[in-house]
Amino acid sequence: GENVEQHPSTLSVQEGDSAVIKCTYSDSASNYFPWYKQELGKGPQLIIDIRSNVGEKKDQRIAVTLNKTAKHFSLHITETQPEDSAVYFCAASRSNYQLIWGAGTKLIIKP
Amino acid sequence: EPEVTQTPSHQVTQMGQEVILRCVPISNHLYFYWYRQILGQKVEFLVSFYNNEISEKSEIFDDQFSVERPDGSNFTLKIRSTKLEDSAMYFCASTRTSGSQETQYFGPGTRLLVL
Repeated sequence: GENVEQHPSTLSVQEGDSAVIKCTYSDSASNYFPWYKQELGKGPQLIIDIRSNVGEKKDQRIAVTLNKTAKHFSLHITETQPEDSAVYFCAASRSNYQLIWGAGTKLIIKP
Repeated sequence: EPEVTQTPSHQVTQMGQEVILRCVPISNHLYFYWYRQILGQKVEFLVSFYNNEISEKSEIFDDQFSVERPDGSNFTLKIRSTKLEDSAMYFCASTRTSGSQETQYFGPGTRLLVL
């Protein structure tokens, strides 16, 4: 079955710097790749997603890139702010709707 | 902005007891999901539900689990005889349509502790 690997497990960056989180997936049929942000005590919240017919998508300080050949996708956060501190999850989905999740990255923004 | 809600936020139960976790999906959504997250581990898919039927379920979703939409708004997950290893955060999610690329909106979760 599908497996999603996510790295790093913890990422600490200085406020204002960029953060990059990477995921790889195993099922070449996966066609939808969302990123979720989970703050302490809350459910995952979608922050950006990308579909398999697109290589890059940007929304203000957040961007996601997808390399279907290599089966990896990445989350880029620029000009990081303290409120970006959270756990970030990547996920992948094919036609059977269930999301397969990465293990999560704890992002720490140092003031 | 519409959101998925879940009750209770926390549930403590004794091993062997039945628990019912409740979810109110976004009102115009038709597809519903349960996921769980054991502390420190990945979020895992449990089950998807549409038109009063289970669409898909994972290996985790055994005979101890059941789902129901008892009325037009609630979506419930029942665990018949809880085990210690059922302790986890349980998330409900919903989507508007069935497309595999539809955004899943998650509730805040119910933290279940089985003693």
